[in-house]
Amino acid sequence: AQSVTQPDIHITVSEGASLELRCNYSYGATPYLFWYVQSPGQGLQLLLKYFSGDTLVQGIKGFEAEFKRSQSSFNLRKPSVHWSDAAEYFCAVALRSSASKIIFGSGTRLSIRP
Amino acid sequence: GAGVSQSPRYKVAKRGQDVALRCDPISGHVSLFWYQQALGQGPEFLTYFQNEAQLDKSGLPSDRFFAERPEGSVSTLKIQRTQQEDSAVYLCASKPPGTGNTIYFGEGSWLTVV
Repeated sequence: AQSVTQPDIHITVSEGASLELRCNYSYGATPYLFWYVQSPGQGLQLLLKYFSGDTLVQGIKGFEAEFKRSQSSFNLRKPSVHWSDAAEYFCAVALRSSASKIIFGSGTRLSIRP
Repeated sequence: GAGVSQSPRYKVAKRGQDVALRCDPISGHVSLFWYQQALGQGPEFLTYFQNEAQLDKSGLPSDRFFAERPEGSVSTLKIQRTQQEDSAVYLCASKPPGTGNTIYFGEGSWLTVV
């Protein structure tokens, strides 16, 4: 079945530490890939997206993500987290044949330890 | 306005009441989407408009849910005879013309059915 999986429900990291949030997808062909962030009571903000080309994608707020076709993964990374990064992070995909519909994973909640 | 605007931001409805949620997309955005986000979950696709045409309503959970966009701009999501399981945040998003363009989300309408 087609799906987007974020295996980590909740992650806590220390401020200044590195971060990696995992995302795997299960689709017949490589979809468009996205990472969104949602702060409490706020709407979804796009961090970065991958459509084609360079598999290492740079986004806003110092985030980056790497597309690995062989692993069907699109993991989000940040070298050094800040307390303001505490939020819910969603991986999402859109099928190239139906780019109108974005399918979201269940999210990973990030907490920052002072 | 500068972003996607949704109203009301918060709505408490008694079970069995009808509710209407409004979305003002970004000017010039032909595509409009509605998502439902239950507490602790990722957003779930409800429906998609291109201009006034509803091209995909596969995510509407029941015939109590109805969406319209009669003039290709403002959209209304209507829920009839609300039930407790309808309690969620309803997110609206819009997208400019062209494949792969970024989708912009509003801050959502929080619906609580009591």
